[in-house]
Amino acid sequence: EVQLVESGGDLVQPGGSLRLSCAASGFTFSDHYMDWVRQAPGKGLEWVGRIRNKANSYTTEYAASVKGRFTISRDDSKNSLYLQMNSLKTEDTAVYYCARSLNRSGRNFFDYWGQGTLVTVSS
Amino acid sequence: DIQLTQSPSFLSASVGDRVTITCRASQGISSYLAWNQQKPGKAPKLLIYAASTLQSGVPSRFSGSGSGTEFTLTISSLQPEDFATYYCQQFNSYPLTFGGGTKVEIK
Repeated sequence: EVQLVESGGDLVQPGGSLRLSCAASGFTFSDHYMDWVRQAPGKGLEWVGRIRNKANSYTTEYAASVKGRFTISRDDSKNSLYLQMNSLKTEDTAVYYCARSLNRSGRNFFDYWGQGTLVTVSS
Repeated sequence: DIQLTQSPSFLSASVGDRVTITCRASQGISSYLAWNQQKPGKAPKLLIYAASTLQSGVPSRFSGSGSGTEFTLTISSLQPEDFATYYCQQFNSYPLTFGGGTKVEIK
């Protein structure tokens, strides 16, 4: 059974930093692209970024709203995905989900989601 | 960026009703569209990918259609467990984007 379990969410002051983790199990983690998606309280879903697999050189993509502040990384030996968030703003307050991406017809879409972890940015 | 516009944003329906949700893309995305269901306090769940392919384990009352810029999600006979918010999402190009959501509530 595919499982994705996020952790690390917390209350942090504006300008602060936080690192989220996502522990994966039930599938060959190293084969898959992995993504982060967030959802502000009472709002819709917003894609944060993606990291590709080793075969694609672990390259990354980011939403414009987080580029230069957030960094996605992974440790295939630990089946873990990370999101390093720096220079946090109040508008980064959200539940952060990790999601597994599946390749079909040359494109990758999210087929499994974690339960999410809440990040609150407030003074 | 590709904008996805869902309509309606809110829908009130009864058990047994046929429900259709539309998602329009600001530019062509071929069939690179997914539909997700989200219940309050829960993570989204994939229903349909590639516009019309039902994810394993999803009931057959859900179906998707469309290509290019116009897509639909249809629930043929609404069940009590289907009351939720539905989001379309494009995976044609970066940044990946979602529609604003359609909340389906009990009439």
